[in-house]
Amino acid sequence: QITLKESGLTVVKPTQTLTLTCTVSGFSLSASGEGVGWFRQPPGKALEWLAFIYWDDDKQYSPSLQNRLTITKDTSKNQVVLTMASMDPADTATYFCAHRRGVHLCFDYWGQGALVTVSS
Amino acid sequence: DIRVTQSPSSVSASVGDSVTIACRASREIGQWLAWYQKKPGKAPNLLIYAASTLQSGVPVRFSGSGSGTDFTLTINNVQPEDFATYYCQQAHSFPVTFGQGTRLEIK
Repeated sequence: QITLKESGLTVVKPTQTLTLTCTVSGFSLSASGEGVGWFRQPPGKALEWLAFIYWDDDKQYSPSLQNRLTITKDTSKNQVVLTMASMDPADTATYFCAHRRGVHLCFDYWGQGALVTVSS
Repeated sequence: DIRVTQSPSSVSASVGDSVTIACRASREIGQWLAWYQKKPGKAPNLLIYAASTLQSGVPVRFSGSGSGTDFTLTINNVQPEDFATYYCQQAHSFPVTFGQGTRLEIK
């Protein structure tokens, strides 16, 4: 059974860097074809994709945020880490990680989400 | 980027009704489209992928159709647990993009 769980600080100050960890189980981050994405949903707004990492360490970023985002993985720890620099109150949102469904660029298993509030 | 536009932004229905939600991509994406259900405080739930393939465990009252630029999600015999927000997502290429959502409300 595939599971994902987000963890990290839930309150950050403006200008700080957010670090979120997605701990996965039920699949290997190094297995061919696997991939994990990060998403967010600000209160009352739509879902937004942020970043994606493949099994072979190839990475993709949202063009509007790519200068602030870094995605990495630690296969030995079954973890995918997202950092977002220069946090702003507009970045307040629930952040999700999710497992890619096979070769499709859609996502079948999701973490429960982590509500991140940016406030001084 | 491929823009994805959903309509309507909200729809009202009674239990037992049928509901159709539309999604349009800004350029042809074949059948690379997915639909999700999102409830407050919960993670998105994948309903349909490849435009019309039902994800395992999803009730058969949900169906998807379309290809190219125009797609639809249909919910037949709406049940109380179906009242939620629905999102389409183009799965053709990065950057992944979502529609703005359609809220299904109780009439």
